[in-house]
Amino acid sequence: EDQVTQSPEALRLQEGESSSLNCSYTVSGLRGLFWYRQDPGKGPEFLFTLYSAGEEKEKERLKATLTKKESFLHITAPKPEDSATYLCAVQAPTGNQFYFGTGTSLTVIP
Amino acid sequence: NAGVTQTPKFRILKIGQSMTLQCTQDMNHNYMYWYRQDPGMGLKLIYYSVGAGITDKGEVPNGYNVSRSTTEDFPLRLELAAPSQTSVYFCASQDRGSEKLFFGSGTQLSVL
Repeated sequence: EDQVTQSPEALRLQEGESSSLNCSYTVSGLRGLFWYRQDPGKGPEFLFTLYSAGEEKEKERLKATLTKKESFLHITAPKPEDSATYLCAVQAPTGNQFYFGTGTSLTVIP
Repeated sequence: NAGVTQTPKFRILKIGQSMTLQCTQDMNHNYMYWYRQDPGMGLKLIYYSVGAGITDKGEVPNGYNVSRSTTEDFPLRLELAAPSQTSVYFCASQDRGSEKLFFGSGTQLSVL
């Protein structure tokens, strides 16, 4: 069954237009929820880890939040260089497996 | 410090051919992973290793083999290539005690 679901699949924003990306998860015993950024032709690059509901992390124009069933990646006043695919992942309750969502492709138009 | 290095970047195989995707990391990480990424699908774990000499299957191991003879290297072997193995393959490493995965830049493989 799907462990991680991301929405929307694609998002186009004007430069400066803030929005949010959603990641919902079904795994029980969450050990961590992760956000990665992936540029075309490259591997994913780590952004954030969230461990418990209510936790927030920020980096430049990005802020990640976590509830008991979902996480949001808020993008404030985005710039064209924020254009990328954003991936969400959760870590299995035991072992070393990470389950990734299909990603949200973000395009920021100047 | 190069991080995680994958070779080749691109490869075209004929059905039934075999090849090895190379992955090496210079961060002395214990854990290493192989993922495949298909359009519209999330990254799927093929195999992983928690240290030299130890490997285990992930979600989609069929048609692949791995070995881990050193901490640095984690090659992925395709024995009889099939069109279903057309994908982008990513190798990743992780330090023990850290949750962060470091990815290579990927190998784009087409099986025709």
